[in-house]
Amino acid sequence: AQSVTQPDIHITVSEGASLELRCNYSYGATPYLFWYVQSPGQGLQLLLKYFSGDTLVQGIKGFEAEFKRSQSSFNLRKPSVHWSDAAEYFCAVGYSGGGADGLTFGKGTHLIIQP
Amino acid sequence: GAGVSQTPSNKVTEKGKYVELRCDPISGHTALYWYRQSLGQGPEFLIYFQGTGAADDSGLPNDRFFAVRPEGSVSTLKIQRTERGDSAVYLCASSSGQGTYNEQFFGPGTRLTVL
Repeated sequence: AQSVTQPDIHITVSEGASLELRCNYSYGATPYLFWYVQSPGQGLQLLLKYFSGDTLVQGIKGFEAEFKRSQSSFNLRKPSVHWSDAAEYFCAVGYSGGGADGLTFGKGTHLIIQP
Repeated sequence: GAGVSQTPSNKVTEKGKYVELRCDPISGHTALYWYRQSLGQGPEFLIYFQGTGAADDSGLPNDRFFAVRPEGSVSTLKIQRTERGDSAVYLCASSSGQGTYNEQFFGPGTRLTVL
């Protein structure tokens, strides 16, 4: 069965500093990978996704992520965080073979921005 | 345009009662998903509809949980004989077609509290 691990429950970053959120997955084939953000009172919003091709993918709000097959990782990065980036971030994996379309999410990383 | 809507936003019930949670997907979206998010966890897949039929219900925890989508648009998640462990935020998502490469758009969720 597929699984997703987000090793950091909480991360605190100063405003303007760079950010990296870790995500490791377990999957028997090439997965579809996603990062979602959940702000208080808001629904989950897709930041970016990886299906195939270029392993560095760009998303909304200045985020990017890099797929590393050898490390089974899909880490999320941002060069300079803003206070509005404070939220819960979820990494998710989807089945690429069709027929089972539910996503498997990690437990999330809570991002705190210090002024 | 309108996003995914869910009603009610909050539901408080007593142990043993029956509850129904409603999801209105984005107009024209044929795929609809239900997830459950417990406190401090990521969303957990429950069931997926393609049109009117449940294409994958492997995530439903037991036979107290049931979902329908009779006309291929609105869906209702039904929970019988609620238990305190059912307390969670129930999320609905819709997408334009089958396959996890189609972006899932999430609603704001229904917070269910079982006393």
